[in-house]
Amino acid sequence: AQSVAQPEDQVNVAEGNPLTVKCTYSVSGNPYLFWYVQYPNRGLQFLLKYITGDNLVKGSYGFEAEFNKSQTSFHLKKPSALVSDSALYFCAVRDINAGNMLTFGGGTRLMVKP
Amino acid sequence: DAGVTQSPTHLIKTRGQHVTLRCSPISGHKSVSWYQQVLGQGPQFIFQYYEKEERGRGNFPDRFSARQFPNYSSELNVNALLLGDSALYLCASSLRTSGGANEQFFGPGTRLTVL
Repeated sequence: AQSVAQPEDQVNVAEGNPLTVKCTYSVSGNPYLFWYVQYPNRGLQFLLKYITGDNLVKGSYGFEAEFNKSQTSFHLKKPSALVSDSALYFCAVRDINAGNMLTFGGGTRLMVKP
Repeated sequence: DAGVTQSPTHLIKTRGQHVTLRCSPISGHKSVSWYQQVLGQGPQFIFQYYEKEERGRGNFPDRFSARQFPNYSSELNVNALLLGDSALYLCASSLRTSGGANEQFFGPGTRLTVL
């Protein structure tokens, strides 16, 4: 079975500071990893994905994520946070050997304060 | 291009009733997936359809069913509604199902409230 853990329910950061939203995963095979963002009363918006290759993945709105196979982690990062980044962030995993089901973490609320 | 569209936006039903939710994928996308997002939790996978065939099913009871039409739009049906079915139902589309590397694009969701 595949699973995702987002250990922090909420992350608080000041505008202009770097941010990190943590994600760890568990799959039996090789993973495909995704980050999505959800604004209030909206669906999920795709930010970035890791399939293979370079462990540092760059995505939309200045976000990036680092894949670490030994630590089974895929943390989301941004060098300088904006107030408009405040939202709910979801990490998701798909085991490439286990069909097409996408498994999401419980979400992390990011609060960026001016 | 239009994104994934879902209807209705909001829906209120009572226990025991039946509901049908609809989804239109992004043009050119042949795979549609359905997710249930209970308040305060991450989305839970319900179904995936590709080329009108079911390609995946999550851990949901048989009260939940879905289908995909020749134009790749999809319906999610839930029978004998329970209070616990209250949630945001998300539809997502992707180019294809095989390979698994394609990201899914989500619609705005249908907010179902069961009283």
